[in-house]
This record gives sequence, C-alpha cells and structure tokens, in this order.
Amino acid sequence: QQQVKQSPQSLIVQKGGISIINCAYENTAFDYFPWYQQFPGKGPALLIAIRPDVSEKKEGRFTISFNKSAKQFSLHIMDSQPGDSATYFCAASRYNFNKFYFGSGTKLNVKP
Amino acid sequence: EAQVTQNPRYLITVTGKKLTVTCSQNMNHEYMSWYRQDPGLGLRQIYYSMNVEVTDKGDVPEGYKVSRKEKRNFPLILESPSPNQTSLYFCASSVRETQYFGPGTRLLVL
Repeated sequence: QQQVKQSPQSLIVQKGGISIINCAYENTAFDYFPWYQQFPGKGPALLIAIRPDVSEKKEGRFTISFNKSAKQFSLHIMDSQPGDSATYFCAASRYNFNKFYFGSGTKLNVKP
Repeated sequence: EAQVTQNPRYLITVTGKKLTVTCSQNMNHEYMSWYRQDPGLGLRQIYYSMNVEVTDKGDVPEGYKVSRKEKRNFPLILESPSPNQTSLYFCASSVRETQYFGPGTRLLVL
C-alpha cells in the first residue's frame, strides 16, 4: 500500500501557466514533505520542502501548500517554463529522516 | 565536486548471476540509501544505512543485500537476480533531511 498518493500521473501546461501537483498521505507521524524534480537520465534532485508547522512555503516560482487537517500537500509552479518539463515526485518522512516514502510521480510537459 | 557516483550505469545480466552495483559519495555523509524506480510506483526504498556497519531494511528489501564497511561506499548486492528486479536503481546520501541522488543504474535481468 502506497503511503503517499500523487496525482495527476501526467500534466500538460502552456508556457506561463500554473502547474499544480497534488499529494495525500495517511501517516500523521510524517513531518517532513519534500518535492523532487527529475530530468530524463538524471537522479532526482531536491526542489523544495515543508514541515507541517507551516501552511505554505515559497521559493521563487515554486510553492508548496500544506493542509495538515486534510493530510494533503501540493506543489504549484507559477509561470511554468519549458525548462520545468520533468518528472516531479512528492515524498514524506518522519523526524529521523531514515525512511522516505515517495509518490508515484507526475510527468510535467510545459508547451512553448 | 560533491557527488554520488554509481557503477555501472547500465547492466544486462541473466537470471541467477550474482551482481554488485557500487555507490560512492565524497560528502562525508553518514546516511546512505538505495531505491528502485519503477513506472507508476515512484521510488521505493530498498535498504538504508545510518553509519558504518549500521543498515536496515526499507520497503522492498527482498532479494537484495547491502553492506557498509566504509563511510563513503554502500554497495547493493543481488545474489540471485530475477526478472522482477529489472529496474532503475538510485543510490542517495544525505545529511539530515537533504538527500543527494546518484545518476542511476539501469538493470535488465533476462
């Protein structure tokens, strides 16, 4: 049973649009929620992360929204660019960061 | 340059032939981990190591072994590979919550 559920599986967005990827979790013991970006032929790279004590975190065009009561978090990419085309993974971990649980991934295609 | 390296990058083998995928990091990280990536399943953790001689199972450890004899190295061993272990494998090292992934090893077991 997947501990973190991610949707959609794929996403097509026009250049300049907003890309939104959603994740949900069940285990309330999770307290670290990162997003990773993966380009073809490369390993995932940490993009942005959030702790459950805040509802939003913004870094440049990337924003995480976190809803603790709903056990959901989402990645928003503002002003999406063709260079953002990649696969995005959400993940969750407990405080000791030993075990990480990843979502199934979202393939984003930003059309020029 | 700070990095995680994996070898080989590509490997084709046959069922039952033991193989080792090496992983090395030059960042002096205590924590290292192995994942497999499969379409529609994301990344699933196989094993992790909190320090030298300290390892533990992740979510999908069956059919895999690991060892951590040195801080910088964390090899993944498949003693009798089977076709269901065909996958893309990633090694990662981390300091606290930030994980750094290697470039991946694509394995095909015939």
